[in-house]
Amino acid sequence: AQSVTQPDIHITVSEGASLELRCNYSYGATPYLFWYVQSPGQGLQLLLKYFSGDTLVQGIKGFEAEFKRSQSSFNLRKPSVHWSDAAEYFCAVGRNQAGTALIFGKGTTLSVSS
Amino acid sequence: GAVVSQHPSWVICKSGTSVKIECRSLDFQATTMFWYRQFPKQSLMLMATSNEGSKATYEQGVEKDKFLINHASLTLSTLTVTSAHPEDSSFYICSARLAGGNEQYFGPGTRLTVT
Repeated sequence: AQSVTQPDIHITVSEGASLELRCNYSYGATPYLFWYVQSPGQGLQLLLKYFSGDTLVQGIKGFEAEFKRSQSSFNLRKPSVHWSDAAEYFCAVGRNQAGTALIFGKGTTLSVSS
Repeated sequence: GAVVSQHPSWVICKSGTSVKIECRSLDFQATTMFWYRQFPKQSLMLMATSNEGSKATYEQGVEKDKFLINHASLTLSTLTVTSAHPEDSSFYICSARLAGGNEQYFGPGTRLTVT
């Protein structure tokens, strides 16, 4: 069965420092992969997605992610974190090729220190 | 574009009563909608998939008689929690998918508290 693991429950990064959030997935075929951000009181916002093609994906708000099939990973990165990036981040995989229901990781809480 | 709304945003109900949560796609037609449940500080768990005009498909372990899902139109799906108990208190989130699309658009969620 498909699964998503986000090994880091909570990460604290200094403002202006770089960020990498880890995501590992378990899926038999080429996965549909997503990163979402959830801020308090707000819905999930899609940061970026990978379906096929270039394994380095650019998203909104300066985020990018790299799909590495050999490592079953889809880590999220940002070169310089802003205080407004503090939120909950979820990695997800589409449950089948049609990208229907999503299987979410448990999330990583990002705190930004000044 | 691709906005999904939920109503209400929060609701408090007494144990034993029923509560209905609406999920609407405001500017697109959604042939498929999904309902997720999120416990505090935890991930989203898929409850059911609803396709317009047909019965919802529930995930294993989700009581279909307790969580009634209706997807009567291409822009509206409803989740009714029947005979609510305090353990049903949770954050319920819906998402909608464009016909033929691979991306889901999420609503802001509904906080349900059962007293």
